[in-house]
Amino acid sequence: AQSVSQHNHHVILSEAASLELGCNYSYGGTVNLFWYVQYPGQHLQLLLKYFSGDPLVKGIKGFEAEFIKSKFSFNLRKPSVQWSDTAEYFCAVSAGRRALTFGSGTRLQVQP
Amino acid sequence: KAGVTQTPRYLIKTRGQQVTLSCSPISGHRSVSWYQQTPGQGLQFLFEYFSETQRNKGNFPGRFSGRQFSNSRSEMNVSTLELGDSALYLCASSPGQGAAVTGELFFGEGSRLTVL
Repeated sequence: AQSVSQHNHHVILSEAASLELGCNYSYGGTVNLFWYVQYPGQHLQLLLKYFSGDPLVKGIKGFEAEFIKSKFSFNLRKPSVQWSDTAEYFCAVSAGRRALTFGSGTRLQVQP
Repeated sequence: KAGVTQTPRYLIKTRGQQVTLSCSPISGHRSVSWYQQTPGQGLQFLFEYFSETQRNKGNFPGRFSGRQFSNSRSEMNVSTLELGDSALYLCASSPGQGAAVTGELFFGEGSRLTVL
């Protein structure tokens, strides 16, 4: 069965700091990888996704993620965070035609 | 284009009761998924429907059931409610063959269930 681990449960950063959120998955075969974001008071929305090709994926609002197959990782990065990035971030994986499996989420708090 | 609509938004039930939650997907979306969201647990997958057929099912007890209608609207039912069923229940729809194929889930705002 596929599973996802997000090791950082709560991250606090100052504006302009760099961000990296960890995501590791367990599944031996081909996977599709996703990052979703939930801003306060809003519903979950897709930030970026990886299906194949270039392992460095760029998403909305300056976010990017790198798929490292050998490490079973898909970490989310942003060079300089803003207060508006305060949200909860979820990594997700799917394999074959299985439904998406989500991690437990990382709550990011950006202080002005 | 209207988003995913879930009703009711909030409800309070007591242990032993049952509850039915409804989800209307985005027009044209034939795939509907349900997730349970609780603090610290993230999103736990319940089921996925495509064209009225359950395509995937998560590891929840048989008290949790669902169905999808010919107009793609979906309902989920929880019988014999337990305190631990208190959660935000999220519905998401996907275009085409579903999120695993197309890569995107469009979420509703959820139905917050409190079991007393």
